[in-house]
Amino acid sequence: EAGVVQSPRYKIIEKKQPVAFWCNPISGHNTLYWYLQNLGQGPELLIRYENEEAVDDSQLPKDRFSAERLKGVDSTLKIQPAELGDSAVYLCASGRGRTDTQYFGPGTRLTVL
Amino acid sequence: AQTVTQSQPEMSVQEAETVTLSCTYDTSESDYYLFWYKQPPSRQMILVIRQEAYKQQNATENRFSVNFQKAAKSFSLKISDSQLGDAAMYFCAYRQGAQKLVFGQGTRLTINP
Repeated sequence: EAGVVQSPRYKIIEKKQPVAFWCNPISGHNTLYWYLQNLGQGPELLIRYENEEAVDDSQLPKDRFSAERLKGVDSTLKIQPAELGDSAVYLCASGRGRTDTQYFGPGTRLTVL
Repeated sequence: AQTVTQSQPEMSVQEAETVTLSCTYDTSESDYYLFWYKQPPSRQMILVIRQEAYKQQNATENRFSVNFQKAAKSFSLKISDSQLGDAAMYFCAYRQGAQKLVFGQGTRLTINP
């Protein structure tokens, strides 16, 4: 069984530029999560999807961050415009349901210059 | 709000010896889940062990076991016969029902050959 796939693995951009991250969850997993992990800290939830519906986006900075999960499978997280403080690792995770164990992808390391 | 505290930013152990990582949490709930995740350098986070709060028996997965003290709100991870591949950041995490995972700050474990 393939794990959670994320791309790109690394991204370097100039501040004020847009950036997008892609996540493909484990097949059959209805629940998808995006987390932000700052250096030396634990991940923090940005948004949770149940199928194509965003059910918890209270921690997502909606002025510059957006996410979508079309057709309830793949998901994209976008930042526009990026700021220096957005430099971090963005993790995607999936699970069979909202109470299931979460399985994490390798993450995208974003560096904003 | 629930919080998770890992008081040991770094730990080290000799190969083949036993090490215990500490975790405490704060909650007013009686039914919840606790997790230990491992994040090797530049690699994805993987689940090490999971504990349901309603179960009195401590979870065990091969060389990994937990000491779950519900009244004390303590959830420590014991790694027996430490191996070089155990070197990683270890995160303790809490989840109540279908709510989000709340992670601790992590403990960096070094294995000395």
